[in-house]
Amino acid sequence: DVKVTQSSRYLVKRTGEKVFLECVQDMDHENMFWYRQDPGLGLRLIYFSYDVKMKEKGDIPEGYSVSREKKERFSLILESASTNQTSMYLCASSLLGADTQETQYFGPGTRLLVL
Amino acid sequence: AQSVAQPEDQVNVAEGNPLTVKCTYSVSGNPYLFWYVQYPNRGLQFLLKYITGDNLVKGSYGFEAEFNKSQTSFHLKKPSALVSDSALYFCAVRDPTSGTYKYIFGTGTRLKVLA
Repeated sequence: DVKVTQSSRYLVKRTGEKVFLECVQDMDHENMFWYRQDPGLGLRLIYFSYDVKMKEKGDIPEGYSVSREKKERFSLILESASTNQTSMYLCASSLLGADTQETQYFGPGTRLLVL
Repeated sequence: AQSVAQPEDQVNVAEGNPLTVKCTYSVSGNPYLFWYVQYPNRGLQFLLKYITGDNLVKGSYGFEAEFNKSQTSFHLKKPSALVSDSALYFCAVRDPTSGTYKYIFGTGTRLKVLA
């Protein structure tokens, strides 16, 4: 069965801290995504990656960076956490290049609170 | 630029009645369209998608959606609602001619099915 796991379900950090959110998928998917989910704003794409060491900015990349050193793992980094980054973070993965696929598989999410 | 709109923040329906959750989109070419559902305290789950072919798409849990190109809509429907259908529903779109695997999600519609 398809599985996307995220390192933490809940996280509390202080302003200015460097924060790492980890995502691992076991489906050998090429594409991986990081979204944040906020009430009334839906899901907004932060970054995505279609291959190891490849990344592309989404709609709201400011204040974030990503790392994809291995195919199965995609990390989201908050270089210096701020209170406006308090949110639910969702990771997803999908196959690359198969038009009949296109289904994204989501992890359970990490709820981050920045104090 | 691609976009998607879910005009209703919340939809209430009585159990056993038909339900519709609305979605309209804007892309330059032929879109790939998706519906995802989020149950409380869980990640998003794929419901159904339109890539090509028959405009009426059937998905999980008895849901279906109809791709209407002239109205640029992809409304989610179910003939008979269940209380267990109560959840947050997201519509998403991707422009396959954009050269990127960037998906745009709507703001979400909360469905409440009343017993």
